[in-house]
Amino acid sequence: AQSVSQHNHHVILSEAASLELGCNYSYGGTVNLFWYVQYPGQHLQLLLKYFSGDPLVKGIKGFEAEFIKSKFSFNLRKPSVQWSDTAEYFCAALMYSGGGADGLTFGKGTHLIIQP
Amino acid sequence: EAGVTQSPTHLIKTRGQQATLRCSPISGHTSVYWYQQALGLGLQFLLWYDEGEERNRGNFPPRFSGRQFPNYSSELNVNALELEDSALYLCASSPGRKNSPLHFGNGTRLTVT
Repeated sequence: AQSVSQHNHHVILSEAASLELGCNYSYGGTVNLFWYVQYPGQHLQLLLKYFSGDPLVKGIKGFEAEFIKSKFSFNLRKPSVQWSDTAEYFCAALMYSGGGADGLTFGKGTHLIIQP
Repeated sequence: EAGVTQSPTHLIKTRGQQATLRCSPISGHTSVYWYQQALGLGLQFLLWYDEGEERNRGNFPPRFSGRQFPNYSSELNVNALELEDSALYLCASSPGRKNSPLHFGNGTRLTVT
């Protein structure tokens, strides 16, 4: 079955630390990849997306992610986090089969806490 | 532009009752997705509607059903509510074209007592 795995359920960092959140998907076909963020009390927002082309994609708020096809990974990175980055982060994959997209599959999320 | 709107924001029901949740997509979007965000389980895909038809369904029992109206708005119905149905139900919309990201609403918090 197609799935998306996020390695860390809870991450606590200090401000200015570097961030990397792991995401792996299990599907050998065409896949579009996304990172969404949910700030406390707010709805899900798209951080960045990968469809094709340059495997290093840049999103909003200084986030970036690298698609490594050989590793089935799409890790999210930020060189220096801020307190305002405290949120829930979701990796998601849109996997295409012969009949079209099978719906967006989400990882279970990573709760990121940034300590001032 | 107005975002995805969901109603009601909170819904409290008792076990065995039925719940109806509503979603209005962004104008011009033809696809509507429903997700359940239960504590500790992350986001789980429920249903996907496009152009009025159910395109895909997640691993949920038949008492979870829905429909999409001609104006592309959608309803999610949950029959015979169980305590474990308590969750945040998120609706998302997209233009329906390949490679289109989803835009999420704020969700409906369903509490079953």
